[in-house]
Amino acid sequence: DIQMTQSPSSVSASVGDRVTITCRASQDISSWLAWYQQKPGKAPKFLIYAASSLQSGVPSRFSGSGSGTDFTLTISSLQPADFATYYCQQSNSFPLTFGGGTKVEFK
Amino acid sequence: QVQLQESGPGLVKPSQTLSLTCTVSGGSISSGGYYWSWIRQHPGKGLEWIGYIHYSGSTYYNPSLKSRVTISVDTSKNQFSLKLSSVTAADTAVYYCARALVTGRIFDFWGQGTLVTVSS
Repeated sequence: DIQMTQSPSSVSASVGDRVTITCRASQDISSWLAWYQQKPGKAPKFLIYAASSLQSGVPSRFSGSGSGTDFTLTISSLQPADFATYYCQQSNSFPLTFGGGTKVEFK
Repeated sequence: QVQLQESGPGLVKPSQTLSLTCTVSGGSISSGGYYWSWIRQHPGKGLEWIGYIHYSGSTYYNPSLKSRVTISVDTSKNQFSLKLSSVTAADTAVYYCARALVTGRIFDFWGQGTLVTVSS
């Protein structure tokens, strides 16, 4: 199985801050990476696919980058609605696997 | 817009079979471009892909659960289902159904999730 490791596991930030979350795959997954946002008690929401392509309707302050084994999700200017947990997911090979999550908390 | 809704018992006894159904609305489950998926989340933990099915009947399961999992589809009802046998407390989780794109294998629409507790 491909292991997905996210860092940090949590980050404290303020509204307006730039936040960067890292996701590392245990082997090369090309650009087969997606990002999701999950708020407490809710289902995950799909944000980014193919490592850097924004899903329709997702604010442009979200961006993704990377390929191979190292990926990042960046929120350029954190908004109140962005306090949540973020997960990466690889779709390069079965079984599909997710990172452990990064919780973005209010500082 | 596609909507998915899980249904089924919230409490299952150890060693029994967990059974959940996902009803899809706003779109046909027979659309060829999608896999219909089950994902679970243990309390306070991350996400675990269980498996998915294409409307044609092709299935893909997580090897860690494969011996206990069956996913089926009922196109006439626009539903798909999960059966997980021989459950233990370790199967207590929120179970989500979701739609995955065949191209990319990413989950673009999710149900709200249903908590299933395994306890006697």
